[in-house]
Amino acid sequence: QKEVEQNSGPLSVPEGAIASLNCTYSDRGSQSFFWYRQYSGKSPELIMSIYSNGDKEDGRFTAQLNKASQYVSLLIRDSQPSDSATYLCAVRSGYSTLTFGKGTMLLVSP
Amino acid sequence: SQTIHQWPATLVQPVGSPLSLECTVEGTSNPNLYWYRQAAGRGLQLLFYSVGIGQISSEVPQNLSASRPQDRQFILSSKKLLLSDSGFYLCAWNTGGFWNTEAFFGQGTRLTVV
Repeated sequence: QKEVEQNSGPLSVPEGAIASLNCTYSDRGSQSFFWYRQYSGKSPELIMSIYSNGDKEDGRFTAQLNKASQYVSLLIRDSQPSDSATYLCAVRSGYSTLTFGKGTMLLVSP
Repeated sequence: SQTIHQWPATLVQPVGSPLSLECTVEGTSNPNLYWYRQAAGRGLQLLFYSVGIGQISSEVPQNLSASRPQDRQFILSSKKLLLSDSGFYLCAWNTGGFWNTEAFFGQGTRLTVV
């Protein structure tokens, strides 16, 4: 059984701070990792994908992957109230389907 | 560019009634198609996925079924809805192949069974 674990939160940060969201996964053969953002009542939208160990930056977002520790994280710099949402971590191994974590709720206070 | 359409956006159905949710993808060929359900306060649960016309894989046993009558059309059905079928139903697609690819979601259908 492939599992993806996330702290459900809520993670509360003040506006302008760095938000750090974490995810661990059980399948050591996982190769593709994704972060989705889901606003309340809306469908998930893709933020970042990462496939290699290290950091990948896109604007205010940085995804970090450590396959040895089976750990992937998402950093959001200069957090804004509009970043308040649930962040879903998703993992794929080869031909398999995506396995999602239950998500971490982020609250950014003005 | 590729787009995914899912309808209806909201649905209220009585227990025991049938269900049909439809999803279509534009701008791509032979996509992988997925049906997920998200119950209140819970994660995304994969219900069905399809890698081609007529090819359906079920992830969980339940009173739901799926069909793929055309390459870019995916339908979720039930003959008799249960209260436990309430939830947020999401259709998603991605391109086939071994590496990656990201899945993109439709706007979702909020189903309430009463």
